[in-house]
Amino acid sequence: EAGVTQFPSHSVIEKGQTVTLRCDPISGHDNLYWYRRVMGKEIKFLLHFVKESKQDESGMPNNRFLAERTGGTYSTLKVQPAELEDSGVYFCASSPLTGLSGGYTFGSGTRLTVV
Amino acid sequence: AQKITQTQPGMFVQEKEAVTLDCTYDTSDPSYGLFWYKQPSSGEMIFLIYQGSYDQQNATEGRYSLNFQKARKSANLVISASQLGDSAMYFCAMREGHGTSYDKVIFGPGTSLSVIP
Repeated sequence: EAGVTQFPSHSVIEKGQTVTLRCDPISGHDNLYWYRRVMGKEIKFLLHFVKESKQDESGMPNNRFLAERTGGTYSTLKVQPAELEDSGVYFCASSPLTGLSGGYTFGSGTRLTVV
Repeated sequence: AQKITQTQPGMFVQEKEAVTLDCTYDTSDPSYGLFWYKQPSSGEMIFLIYQGSYDQQNATEGRYSLNFQKARKSANLVISASQLGDSAMYFCAMREGHGTSYDKVIFGPGTSLSVIP
């Protein structure tokens, strides 16, 4: 079974530019989550999709961040325009709709550097 | 409010020794799950172990065991026979809720473990 795939693995962009991160969850996983870890700080929840619907987007920092999950498959997280404080590692995770005892499966993350 | 506390920002352990990483949590929900994840220098997040609030026995997975003390709200991770490859960041995490699929996982600040040869 393929795991959660994220790309790009690294992205370096200038302040003010736009970046789109992509996450392909494990096939059949209806839950998809985005998290972010800013350098040296905690892992923060951004948002949660159940299929194509946003279940919880309370962690989105501001309206420069837009997440979509069209068709309930892969998800994208767009940052526009990027600011310096957006630098960090963005993780995606997925899980089936039931049975969370096994934990989420995380992707390898996208390391975003805004310069 | 801080829900997951990991009081050890950094830990050292001698290879082949056991080490305990501390985690305390705060919740008023009777139903919750506790997780530990490992993040090596390569960056990926690796699920290690899970403990449900209603589980009667402490969870174990190979060299990992979770010392679950419900009354004290602690869920310490014990790694036995440390190996050099255990050097990584370790995150304690919790999922609150009624066991539905709609509850997000929240993470503690992490503990950096270094295994010394």
